[in-house]
Amino acid sequence: NAGVTQTPKFQVLKTGQSMTLQCAQDMNHEYMSWYRQDPGMGLRLIHYSVGAGITDQGEVPNGYNVSRSTTEDFPLRLLSAAPSQTSVYFCASSPGTGTLVPLHFGNGTRLTVT
Amino acid sequence: DAKTTQPPSMDCAEGRAANLPCNHSTISGNEYVYWYRQIHSQGPQYIIHGLKNNETNEMASLIITEDRKSSTLILPHATLRDTAVYYCTLTPSGSARQLTFGSGTQLTVLP
Repeated sequence: NAGVTQTPKFQVLKTGQSMTLQCAQDMNHEYMSWYRQDPGMGLRLIHYSVGAGITDQGEVPNGYNVSRSTTEDFPLRLLSAAPSQTSVYFCASSPGTGTLVPLHFGNGTRLTVT
Repeated sequence: DAKTTQPPSMDCAEGRAANLPCNHSTISGNEYVYWYRQIHSQGPQYIIHGLKNNETNEMASLIITEDRKSSTLILPHATLRDTAVYYCTLTPSGSARQLTFGSGTQLTVLP
């Protein structure tokens, strides 16, 4: 049981390049979400999904796209990378949207945009 | 608007209790208080949560004031491995989970 797996662990992009950050969970969780964490700051919600085919925006969605075609996978796409998107990205999942179950986090993707 | 307020840093001697405060004066009646911690920039790890009653598990205790405007996370016997950033968050019931994490408290356990 791997939990929440994020790939790659590290990535360097040039401004304007596109890429997809992968997130997969093997716990059959309905809820998945993406956060970014900038140095010395807390986590900010980018996008989230309450089930396959359903996504919604979080606090800082601009510059990012998501889709949820399967329960297991929730990729985050950067269409045209900008230096302001240099950050650590965390994916999280939960069995449902209720309040009685916690989030399970992956170990992050460290992205640098030059 | 920050929904929770935590001190930026605290120190604690190894073996002593660590008491981490959190203010959430605008908490709604259906919001739960959740605590997570983040060690060495790994993904955050769930610790404990509660609504209005005090809670205890194998990791920590959570004390919520009667008016629910503040709470305290207690690590009863802190170890060096408890050095981490601790986040207090609020999660509403009955809606999609949208946790908001503030800057947290950097707890340093000293030998």
